[in-house]
Amino acid sequence: QLRLQKSGPGLVKPSETLSLTCAVSGGSINRSSHYWGWIRQPPGKGLEWIGSIYYSGSTYYNPSLKSRVTISVDTSKNQFSLKLNSVTAADTAVYYCARQTPLYYWDYWGQGTLVTVSS
Amino acid sequence: DIQMTQSPSTLSASVGDRVTITCRASQSISSWLAWYQQKPGKAPKPLIYKASSLEGGVPSRFSGSGSGTEFTLTISSLQPDDFATYYCQHHNSYLGTFGQGTKLEI
Repeated sequence: QLRLQKSGPGLVKPSETLSLTCAVSGGSINRSSHYWGWIRQPPGKGLEWIGSIYYSGSTYYNPSLKSRVTISVDTSKNQFSLKLNSVTAADTAVYYCARQTPLYYWDYWGQGTLVTVSS
Repeated sequence: DIQMTQSPSTLSASVGDRVTITCRASQSISSWLAWYQQKPGKAPKPLIYKASSLEGGVPSRFSGSGSGTEFTLTISSLQPDDFATYYCQHHNSYLGTFGQGTKLEI
């Protein structure tokens, strides 16, 4: 059974960089035709796609966040990572890592944890 | 960008009811529409993709229909476990935006 385990701090200061990592177990990132990505959900609000990456390193970002986002993949560790710089309170959200199928819907999700931007 | 609009935002129903949630796209997305169920404190769970294809393990009381710009998710006979928030998502590209959600409550 595929499992995605997210790690990273739950509190980030304004103007700093939010960094999260998602470790994949039960399947290999680089033997998959799937994409891997990040989605966030501000408290009490809906879902927002942040970006996706293929095992080759090809990336796709939400245009509204593109200038601040970097997603990378480490196939040797079977994990992928998110960096969001210059964060503000508006970036406070539950962040999810997930697998995106070749049909572009999301079929496996990691547990979400709240990342709060506050001084 | 393609905008997804769900209605209603909140739906009150009872166990055994048949309920329908609607999702409208701002432009045609053919049949590239997925539905998710989210319970409080949990990650969304995929129910349906390509408008009407049931994800593995999803009960047959869930069904989806539609094409173009208008889609529906139907639950034929509500069970207690179905009270949750439902989201649609267009999935014709990696840039698949979500609807704002429909909360199904007792």
